[in-house]
Amino acid sequence: EMQLVESGGGLVQPGGSLRLSCAASGFTLSDHYIDWVRQAPGKGLEWVGRTRNKANGYTGEYAASVKGRFTISRDESENSVYLQMNSLKTEDTAIYYCTRVPVGASGSNDYYFDYWGQGTLVSVSS
Amino acid sequence: SYEVIQPVSVSVALGQTASITCEGNGIGGKNVHWNQQHSGQAPVLVMYRDSNRPSGIPERFSGSNSGNTATLTISRAQAGDEANYYCQVWDSGTVVFGGGTRLTVL
Repeated sequence: EMQLVESGGGLVQPGGSLRLSCAASGFTLSDHYIDWVRQAPGKGLEWVGRTRNKANGYTGEYAASVKGRFTISRDESENSVYLQMNSLKTEDTAIYYCTRVPVGASGSNDYYFDYWGQGTLVSVSS
Repeated sequence: SYEVIQPVSVSVALGQTASITCEGNGIGGKNVHWNQQHSGQAPVLVMYRDSNRPSGIPERFSGSNSGNTATLTISRAQAGDEANYYCQVWDSGTVVFGGGTRLTVL
C-alpha cells in the first residue's frame, strides 16, 4: 500500500529551525518527484517546493516565499524526504504535506499530486 | 504570476448537480487538476488532466476545461461530497492552487 507519513512538526520560536520528515512506502521513491505543500490555519493550499527524481538529479526548486530558508533533501536508503526549515517566521505556521508526483506527470504543464500524506503541523510563535 | 479564481462557496441540493469553476487567463491551454479536502483531512486527488478520474473516484465526478474556465461537476450530490475543492495548474515552473471552494450539500 502506498503511503506518505510526515513527522517532525511542533512549536518553534521565530528565527528557529525545524526539520520535517516524510517516510515513503509502497513505491520506488527514486522514480518520483516529491513536493511539499502547506496550508495555513483556515486557509488554502500553497506549494512550498520539490525534489526531482533520480533521473533528474534530485535537484530542488522552491517557492519565492521560502527560497533561501527552506531546503528539501532525500535519503533513498531510508525511503525518506526531508524539509529543513530555517529562519522560521510566524507566517510559516501551517500544516505541511508531502505529496507524490506520478511518473510521467513531472513535465511542463502536466504536474499534479496523486498521493498526499496526512500532514504535520508547524507552529511558529514566541 | 498566474492566478486561478474559484468561487468561495457553492451549494447544491442533495441528489442534484454541482458545478465548481476555476477561472484563469487561457486556462483552457493548461492541464487542470482538482483536489478534494474534507474537514480535518488531507487533500485527495479527484480529477487530473481536466477530465480524468483516479481509481476509486465515482463516475459522478467529471471535469471539463475550455477558454478561460475549467469546471468540476458533481452529479447526484451526496452528503459525503461536502468538502473544500481546490483546482491546481502548472505555470512557469511553479504549482498554482485556486483559493478553494466550499461545497455545501443541502
